[in-house]
Amino acid sequence: AQSVTQLDSQVPVFEEAPVELRCNYSSSVSVYLFWYVQYPNQGLQLLLKYLSGSTLVKSINGFEAEFNKSQTSFHLRKPSVHISDTAEYFCAVIENSGYSTLTFGKGTMLLVSP
Amino acid sequence: GAGVSQSPSNKVTEKGKDVELRCDPISGHTALYWYRQSLGQGLEFLIYFQGNSAPDKSGLPSDRFSAERTGGSVSTLTIQRTQQEDSAVYLCASSPRLGRDTGELFFGEGSRLTVL
Repeated sequence: AQSVTQLDSQVPVFEEAPVELRCNYSSSVSVYLFWYVQYPNQGLQLLLKYLSGSTLVKSINGFEAEFNKSQTSFHLRKPSVHISDTAEYFCAVIENSGYSTLTFGKGTMLLVSP
Repeated sequence: GAGVSQSPSNKVTEKGKDVELRCDPISGHTALYWYRQSLGQGLEFLIYFQGNSAPDKSGLPSDRFSAERTGGSVSTLTIQRTQQEDSAVYLCASSPRLGRDTGELFFGEGSRLTVL
């Protein structure tokens, strides 16, 4: 079975600073990887995904994540954050063979201050 | 609207009472999921429906929890004899999954349950 570890429960950062939210996964087979975002008082929404192909994937609002198979990581990065990026970010994994459902990490709260 | 709809958005109940939480998925989505979100615990998978059948109930925490889906659409999560540890946000998600799950889910805004 797969699992996801998000080591940081909170990441405080100043506006316009770079940020990295860490995600590591464990699985015995190949996987699909996701970042979901939950803005205050809203439901989760898909931010970006890795299914296959290029290991660097990007979102429309400037976030990117790189799938690193050797390090079993899928860290989320943004070179310059905005106040509006304040939200909880969840890394998730699903095995792409056999039967599997999406498994989420415990989430990282990104707090952007002026 | 066109998104996943959940009701009630907030529910406060007394310990020992039964509660029902409702999810109306996106029209045409065959797969429906229930997750539980507790503070500091992330999202805990509860149950998955494909159509009206539930091939995976492995996440239901106890026999006080049950869920059903009718007409391949609306789903109800029922918690009997609620306990304080049941307090959480219950999230419903749907996807157009027909075969292997690609993990791309559409979430509702959740039902916040508080058990006093």
